[in-house]
Amino acid sequence: DTEVTQTPKHLVMGMTNKKSLKCEQHMGHRAMYWYKQKAKKPPELMFVYSYEKLSINESVPSRFSPECPNSSLLNLHLHALQPEDSALYLCASTLNAAYNEQFFGPGTRLTVL
Amino acid sequence: SQKIEQNSEALNIQEGKTATLTCNYTNYSPAYLQWYRQDPGRGPVFLLLIRENEKEKRKERLKVTFDTTLKQSLFHITASQPADSATYLCALDDSNYQLIWGAGTKLIIKP
Repeated sequence: DTEVTQTPKHLVMGMTNKKSLKCEQHMGHRAMYWYKQKAKKPPELMFVYSYEKLSINESVPSRFSPECPNSSLLNLHLHALQPEDSALYLCASTLNAAYNEQFFGPGTRLTVL
Repeated sequence: SQKIEQNSEALNIQEGKTATLTCNYTNYSPAYLQWYRQDPGRGPVFLLLIRENEKEKRKERLKVTFDTTLKQSLFHITASQPADSATYLCALDDSNYQLIWGAGTKLIIKP
């Protein structure tokens, strides 16, 4: 299995909702990433987990809360988001944090109303 | 801090010709540089990685060069096809093993 899966594909939520994005990989990768991407912009790193521990948090607002329950799963919990948070949210994984060929999931298109 | 520039927002190429995309960086030479392809609404797909001690890397119709003197990487697609139309992103490592991304070049191959 050489893919990263993300659910849901699309999500529309209000500013008072709580929702979660899910990412899964079964390639034995030990580093997992959350990126945010706006239209016509490069991916913007949000969080990095290495061996299930949060190693990088790129000054992301607390309304985004990552979680890594095990080496195959990565969640992003969303609460009280703003319309400007609407974007494509991408999950990626690599063998480990020092080996940087990244495998991306298809993304979740998030719209905040 | 490191900055990456990719040539032009969009590049129009006639089918069958060679497409050449440019990635320039401004600061230190990275240990390696990567190229990804991204289709609209999809995640990037890894294409090639070239290390600082490598001049050239090939994979089927793709070729990447890396010139640390010019601080530049060139990405070539030979015998281009309409299916090659996509946005191509270059990325290089920073000191924390993370990737710094270019803004991408949108490649359009016209039949």
